[in-house]
Amino acid sequence: DTGVSQNPRHKITKRGQNVTFRCDPISEHNRLYWYRQTLGQGPEFLTYFQNEAQLEKSRLLSDRFSAERPKGSFSTLEIQRTEQGDSAMYLCASSLTGAQAQPQHFGDGTRLSIL
Amino acid sequence: DAKTTQPNSMESNEEEPVHLPCNHSTISGTDYIHWYRQLPSQGPEYVIHGLTSNVNNRMASLAIAEDRKSSTLILHRATLRDAAVYYCILRDVSSGTYKYIFGTGTRLKVLA
Repeated sequence: DTGVSQNPRHKITKRGQNVTFRCDPISEHNRLYWYRQTLGQGPEFLTYFQNEAQLEKSRLLSDRFSAERPKGSFSTLEIQRTEQGDSAMYLCASSLTGAQAQPQHFGDGTRLSIL
Repeated sequence: DAKTTQPNSMESNEEEPVHLPCNHSTISGTDYIHWYRQLPSQGPEYVIHGLTSNVNNRMASLAIAEDRKSSTLILHRATLRDAAVYYCILRDVSSGTYKYIFGTGTRLKVLA
């Protein structure tokens, strides 16, 4: 059983650099979500896709953040001109389409540290 | 935004039952109540969900109040592996989409 895969697991970069994270969802799942989690807090919703369409973006997602899901398969989250406040765990989840009862399956995240 | 309220932390002895409460007074009639848990350095893990009736699965039971304004996650026999942060979440009705809003959860400590 292949779960949600996220790469890299850890990323350390200098302030001002661009970073890109990848998420591979469970193969038959057509919904994909991105969350951000800081220490001691629950995950915060960033954006979600149904197939290749990005259906919602949080106000937390500034213009420096962009997400894509070409062909409705894997997804990438890019942060441009990183800032100290971007340091966090970035989580990806996927689910089946259907009623809201469909559970989300999470990856183990990418931890971003900004020097 | 649909919101939930949970105690910050709870303790339990190993092999004893644990009742984790959650208040969700603003729940809408069609919102499901979902529970997830998160172990250190891992992503959240689905535990259970329900709408109106009590639910059981291999991991836990979910008891939902008749007015649906609160629910309780029940771990029948806590083990050390159950030590985690437990989140009770609802779908965000204001957006009309399927995002979830997590609170800060309840940190469960299991004592050997």
